[in-house]
This record gives sequence, structure tokens and C-alpha cells, in this order.
Amino acid sequence: AQSVAQPEDQVNVAEGNPLTVKCTYSVSGNPYLFWYVQYPNRGLQFLLKYITGDNLVKGSYGFEAEFNKSQTSFHLKKPSALVSDSALYFCAVRRFSGGYNKLIFGAGTRLAVHP
Amino acid sequence: SQTIHQWPATLVQPVGSPLSLECTVEGTSNPNLYWYRQAAGRGLQLLFYSVGIGQISSEVPQNLSASRPQDRQFILSSKKLLLSDSGFYLCAGWSTEAFFGQGTRLTVV
Repeated sequence: AQSVAQPEDQVNVAEGNPLTVKCTYSVSGNPYLFWYVQYPNRGLQFLLKYITGDNLVKGSYGFEAEFNKSQTSFHLKKPSALVSDSALYFCAVRRFSGGYNKLIFGAGTRLAVHP
Repeated sequence: SQTIHQWPATLVQPVGSPLSLECTVEGTSNPNLYWYRQAAGRGLQLLFYSVGIGQISSEVPQNLSASRPQDRQFILSSKKLLLSDSGFYLCAGWSTEAFFGQGTRLTVV
């Protein structure tokens, strides 16, 4: 069964430093992977996705993610963190079954960027 | 672009009272629609999904039900709320990826 794991409950980083939020996946076949961000009391916003092609995927707000098949990882990265990046980040994998798409989410990682 | 409208934003209901949360979609037709619940600001649990009018599938047994009376309308209901129904409820649709409404925070007291 498709699943994703986010091994860190929280990531702390200083403003201006690079950030990485980790995600590993377990899927049968080719994975469709996604990153979403959630600000307090808000819905999820789409950041980026990997379907096929280049292993480095660029997304919104300067975020990017690297698909690594050998390590079954899809880590979210940003070269220089902003305080406004502080939020809850979710990795997800698509499961296609019975003619419809379903997203399976990780538990989420809280990113705290300190001034 | 696709948009999900979800209301109300917050709701406080007594135990045993009924519930109706509504979600409408704009910018797409015949979308797959989903209800998720998020507890304690962390992981999302898929509650229901719908591939069309009148077609509802439940992911987990619970005190809630869902209906889809129109193509772009998805409703989450309960006849009698429990304390454990408290949480943040999110409606979502699917295009090339999932898109979400702004959520309803339900507190059952």
C-alpha cells in the first residue's frame, strides 16, 4: 500500500539558512508525490509535485524537492529560509484506485524559522 | 482555476446536536470531492470521497455521513455529535492535484 513518512515532528532553522523537510515513501509502481503547506487555521496549499521527469522539482515560494528513487525519498528544500515559511508541511502520495485519485498524507512536519 | 468554498469557518456545537457542513466547488465540473478531518493540527484522515452525484464512499466507520446532492456540492453531516467529532474539517477536490477549502473548525462541547 502507498504511504509516506515524515520522520521529524519539527524542524528549526535560522532565517537565511537552507532548510530541508524530509519525506520518505513506500509505493508500488511509479510514485506521484506532493508537498503541501498549511498555515494556522487554514486549508492546505499546494507547493509542488513529482510525477515523472527531472528529479529536482521546483515549486511555489522558492521551494524545491528532490526525488531520489534509490533512497525512496522526496525531501523538500529551500536555499534560504524566511520567517514567513514557518508553517506545517505535509508530504503526500497519490493512490489511484477504483477510478479515482486519493491523497495519502504524512503526519506533517512543523517548520519554525527563527529571526 | 478551481476553488473550494467551505463554511462556516468555526462552529461550536453541543454534544448530541446535528451537524451540516457544506462545501461547493467552482472552476471545474464533475470533480472528485473529499472530506478530511485533521485532529490536533497534525495528520489528515480521509473520511469520505465522491466521484459523482449520489456516489459516496466512506473510508472509516464513524458518526458522520456525507452526501452529494449536486455536482459541485458536498455535504458532511451528523445526526448526533460526539465530543470525539471535534476537529478541523477540510473539503478538497482533485484536478491535476488536490485543492483544498479553508476548513471548518468544529468544537463539540
